[in-house]
Amino acid sequence: DAGVIQSPRHEVTEMGQEVTLRCKPISGHNSLFWYRQTMMRGLELLIYFNNNVPIDDSGMPEDRFSAKMPNASFSTLKIQPSEPRDSAVYFCASRSGTDNEKLFFGSGTQLSVL
Amino acid sequence: AQSVTQLDSQVPVFEEAPVELRCNYSSSVSVYLFWYVQYPNQGLQLLLKYLSGSTLVESINGFEAEFNKSQTSFHLRKPSVHISDTAEYFCAVSDPGTYKYIFGTGTRLKVLA
Repeated sequence: DAGVIQSPRHEVTEMGQEVTLRCKPISGHNSLFWYRQTMMRGLELLIYFNNNVPIDDSGMPEDRFSAKMPNASFSTLKIQPSEPRDSAVYFCASRSGTDNEKLFFGSGTQLSVL
Repeated sequence: AQSVTQLDSQVPVFEEAPVELRCNYSSSVSVYLFWYVQYPNQGLQLLLKYLSGSTLVESINGFEAEFNKSQTSFHLRKPSVHISDTAEYFCAVSDPGTYKYIFGTGTRLKVLA
């Protein structure tokens, strides 16, 4: 299995632009998580899905952030409009329904908003 | 609500010396506990986990962690570190009911030659 796949690996954009981050979880996994990593705040849980349904989005910073999971093999995290303080590494992780204790992480998307 | 505290943001240590990375948590319910490792430019990987049973858990590369319920701690230790252990280590808790993971802020371990 190729693991959790995130794209793009790097994104540089200007303030005010829309940014879309993509994630393909491991086939057969039924839970998906979006995390944001910064030096100041560490790894923050933004939102997680179970069977494509958002379960907890209390970590989403504000309305500029939205996440969708239209099917079991794809999820997006969108920021519109983007701001410099959104600059961070965004990780996607997935989990199997039969091995609930282990998260598998993608390699992350390094976002820089200028 | 659950939380995880990693008091040490950076830990430098010489090669072959022992190391302890500290982790404390707070939770009103029973939790699962984890250590994840992140190498540069990579995602996190599971290092070891405590779910139940023996309070001492070990990884395949010589790390161990002990669950201490009275002190609400899950410190990570290794008796002799290698250069290749240089990485960032994250402690995490998970609610067995929701499986929602909360991570600490991480400890950067730097092994010096």
